[in-house]
Amino acid sequence: NAGVTQTPKFQVLKTGQSMTLQCAQDMNHNSMYWYRQDPGMGLRLIYYSASEGTTDKGEVPNGYNVSRLNKREFSLRLESAAPSQTSVYFCASSAGGPQETQYFGPGTRLLVL
Amino acid sequence: GESVGLHLPTLSVQEGDNSIINCAYSNSASDYFIWYKQESGKGPQFIIDIRSNMDKRQGQRVTVLLNKTVKHLSLQIAATQPGDSAVYFCAENRRSTNAGKSTFGDGTTLTVKP
Repeated sequence: NAGVTQTPKFQVLKTGQSMTLQCAQDMNHNSMYWYRQDPGMGLRLIYYSASEGTTDKGEVPNGYNVSRLNKREFSLRLESAAPSQTSVYFCASSAGGPQETQYFGPGTRLLVL
Repeated sequence: GESVGLHLPTLSVQEGDNSIINCAYSNSASDYFIWYKQESGKGPQFIIDIRSNMDKRQGQRVTVLLNKTVKHLSLQIAATQPGDSAVYFCAENRRSTNAGKSTFGDGTTLTVKP
């Protein structure tokens, strides 16, 4: 039982390049989330998926797209990376419902030059 | 707007002492609160939660207190150990929110001195 896994662990991009961050969970959770964490700050929600087949915007969705590929996987895509998107990205999952504990992955560190 | 914030960005305690980390929230509709611990280079990890119908909840060496009157919650860590050194986040959630979206505070960095 690996919990929540993320790939890659670290990535360097040039401005304008695109990439997809992958996330998978093996806990049979319904809901999945993408957050970004900037230095000295808390987590800000980018997008979330309440259940397979649904996605919704969070607090900071601009410049990102997501795909809930199946119940296990939730990917985050940067179509045209910008230096402002340099951050650590965390994926999380929860069993579902408005008051459920979220379990986080180890994070992806992204540097956009 | 709505916010969740911690009173102090850093806290330094001596090993063996008790630690108290505070958090304030602004939305009176918040009815579920969670404390997370984040060690360096890792994702946040659930510590303890509390619902708005409770004032206090205890776990192993940790206690969360909720004061709804002043919109304040605290995390108390008993007999703080070096392994407790981390960033601690409070988060709030509302029953009306779909999919368990939580709003996170900025974090308090706890340093335990040997």
